[in-house]
Order: sequence, then structure tokens, then C-alpha cells
Amino acid sequence: GAVVSQHPSWVICKSGTSVKIECRSLDFQATTMFWYRQFPKQSLMLMATSNEGSKATYEQGVEKDKFLINHASLTLSTLTVTSAHPEDSSFYICSANMAGGQETQYFGPGTRLLVL
Amino acid sequence: GQSLEQPSEVTAVEGAIVQINCTYQTSGFYGLSWYQQHDGGAPTFLSYNALDGLEETGRFSSFLSRSDSYGYLLLQELQMKDSASYFCAVLYNFNKFYFGSGTKLNVKP
Repeated sequence: GAVVSQHPSWVICKSGTSVKIECRSLDFQATTMFWYRQFPKQSLMLMATSNEGSKATYEQGVEKDKFLINHASLTLSTLTVTSAHPEDSSFYICSANMAGGQETQYFGPGTRLLVL
Repeated sequence: GQSLEQPSEVTAVEGAIVQINCTYQTSGFYGLSWYQQHDGGAPTFLSYNALDGLEETGRFSSFLSRSDSYGYLLLQELQMKDSASYFCAVLYNFNKFYFGSGTKLNVKP
């Protein structure tokens, strides 16, 4: 089956620092990758849609300069949380789908970010 | 805009059948998906319905009525390991998913 990995699985950082999260599709080429954020006991909120070789599309209310997304290849997308603050502490999850398979998204295991 | 409604919590006993309903209001609707998420884990795909009707996959079935903007997930022969949160999600604008707030299912012995 399709496998998506994320690295790191958890990170603790000081306020003001930047954190980079990687999302990789291990056994398929992902035409599109998605980044979600989930606060405790809440739903997944789509942050942005990332297409290889083009600029990410951000959802309303998500600051593109704060959450930098780079989709360098068909198997790798990165999310950088710049100048992280405690309110950015959350569970960040990426997902990917295959060409022609937009109805099935394969989720990575998620990254827990704690900003002190 | 998109909106989804599903119950916040459901409790059932092992071996029972439980139905989790989902109503939606959306533009650009393509289909309805269901995902399972255990505490601390990532969502895993359960089902996707693009057309009206019932889709069965083992103990789980999913139903969609496009005219009623309504769907449900049916879990049969409940097991303790089915205790998790279940999210309905609409696929809209070709490849975007909007997730409901989730239903926490508690399975008791």
C-alpha cells in the first residue's frame, strides 16, 4: 500500500525558532500533498495544498509567510514553521494522493510540535 | 463554504452495531469519505462514496445520499479496537477534503 512518512515525529523548540517538517511518499509519486493542523480534540484543518514545482495554495486564514511550504519533488514536501510561538503548538499532518486518485489521501504519521 | 455535522460522541457495547451519521453543506461536492483516528495517531482511510448507495467493506459499510446531503458509517460486530474517533470528510473542488469535527466512539465490554 501507499506509505507516507513524516520527520520528525515530534519536536520541542524555543519560541522564536523555526522548525522544518518533512513529508515523503515512500512508494509512489504524489502529484499533490496536503498539510493539515489538528489541535487537541479538534478536527483536521487544511492549511495548504502543495503541488510539485509550483507555489502552494494556502487556505483562508493561514499565513503563507509563517508556514513556508516547499514541494521540491514528486515525493517530498516540507513545511517550515517560522518564528514559532506557543500558539503554533499542534499536531501537523501531511497527506498525499496519487495521480487520478484524488478520492484517497494517504496520511503521514504526523508531527507533534511543542513550542516553549 | 463547507460545513459538516456529526455527533460528538457515541457509546456502544462489543458485538453491537453502531451508525454514525453525517450531514453536509458544500459547494463543488465530489464525494464523502470516512476516516478513523486512534488517540495520538494519524487518520486512516475507511471508505469513499461518490455515488448514492451503500458500500460494504468487511465489518464497515458507508452510505451516501447526494439528494439529502447525508451519509453514514455503519460499524458491525463492534470490537474494543474500534474505539477511536471517526471523521466524515467531503471531497470538494476536485482534490480538497474538509473534515467534520469527529465522532468519538466508545466501545464497552
